[in-house]
Amino acid sequence: KAGVTQTPRYLIKTRGQQVTLSCSPISGHRSVSWYQQTPGQGLQFLFEYFSETQRNKGNFPGRFSGRQFSNSRSEMNVSTLELGDSALYLCASEVNGGDTQYFGPGTRLTVL
Amino acid sequence: GQQVMQIPQYQHVQEGEDFTTYCNSSTTLSNIQWYKQRPGGHPVFLIQLVKSGEVKKQKRLTFQFGEAKKNSSLHITATQTTDVGTYFCASGGSQGNLIFGKGTKLSVKP
Repeated sequence: KAGVTQTPRYLIKTRGQQVTLSCSPISGHRSVSWYQQTPGQGLQFLFEYFSETQRNKGNFPGRFSGRQFSNSRSEMNVSTLELGDSALYLCASEVNGGDTQYFGPGTRLTVL
Repeated sequence: GQQVMQIPQYQHVQEGEDFTTYCNSSTTLSNIQWYKQRPGGHPVFLIQLVKSGEVKKQKRLTFQFGEAKKNSSLHITATQTTDVGTYFCASGGSQGNLIFGKGTKLSVKP
């Protein structure tokens, strides 16, 4: 099976802009979780989607949002970008949730 | 909320030395998972422990789950340069999501 794919791999934006990241899970996986990884804060959970519904949400401001499509592909959106949003954004898929997570390669976002 | 604390944050070893990272929680964990992230890479699942006192081995890696299911450890025997990376423990949160420790970054000097 193909692994989790994320696009784009690298992104440079300026403050105030918005960005959309995409994640395609492993075939048959219905749960997609998003994480923000920074050197100082480690892996922080953003949200999880399952069957097109947000099932869990971390402690991030409303500028961070996501959605999942019927084919389980997921997108996350960050509006009004801030310098502190610079990070590696990882998505992970799993069959149902609470299982082993399979991570994608991540999208490296730099906000200037 | 539930947290998993991981120590040490960094570990520098000489090739051939052993390495251990510890994961602790104030609450009982339903399970513990371990992931490895190579420099520039993404976390990769290593193993899951579920039972109290469980011990699992993968070649030079030994994983343990404490009797009280509040702590876990990963021990690497005779480290190699290929072991370099950050090791994360993670456990299921009350809402079904995974909660990750902050990781232990291992560097190995050849």
